[in-house]
Amino acid sequence: DAGVIQSPRHEVTEMGQEVTLRCKPISGHDYLFWYRQTMMRGLELLIYFNNNVPIDDSGMPEDRFSAKMPNASFSTLKIQPSEPRDSAVYFCASRPVGGAEAFFGQGTRLTVV
Amino acid sequence: SQQGEEDPQALSIQEGENATMNCSYKTSINNLQWYRQNSGRGLVHLILIRSNEREKHSGRLRVTLDTSKKSSSLLITASRAADTASYFCATDALRGGAQKLVFGQGTRLTINP
Repeated sequence: DAGVIQSPRHEVTEMGQEVTLRCKPISGHDYLFWYRQTMMRGLELLIYFNNNVPIDDSGMPEDRFSAKMPNASFSTLKIQPSEPRDSAVYFCASRPVGGAEAFFGQGTRLTVV
Repeated sequence: SQQGEEDPQALSIQEGENATMNCSYKTSINNLQWYRQNSGRGLVHLILIRSNEREKHSGRLRVTLDTSKKSSSLLITASRAADTASYFCATDALRGGAQKLVFGQGTRLTINP
């Protein structure tokens, strides 16, 4: 397996634009996590899914953020409209049911100007 | 708020010395994990210790867990320049029947040659 795949690796967008980040988890993994990493706030859990169902989205900062997992092999994190304070590295991670170790993608570095 | 808090936030030592990082957490856990993050990359799992274990070893890594104090430590012995990275502890919390993986703020470790 190629591991967790995130796209794009880098995204630069203007304030007010819609941004969509994509994640392909490892095949067979039942958990999918979205994290945001900044210098100020560290690694924040935004939302996580179990068997494609959102379990806890209490970390999503605002209604501008939404996440979906239409099937077991794909998830998106959308920001609409984007703001400069959304600039961060966004990570996706997956984990098999019954397993503890999470496998991370390489991240998407988002810059909103 | 995040579950784990690492201490110190940054640590700089000479190659060959031992590095100790600490983690405190707030709620009951099933296990505690340590991850490593090289600059610009995703997190990589290092070691896991279960709540009924007190100490675990893996190569040059030694992890301890004190559930009464809700704390853990990661010791890297005989450090090498390649150990330069950020280190995070992560804890599992059961929510809605699914495991929620939450990370601390991390310790940035620099090994000077």
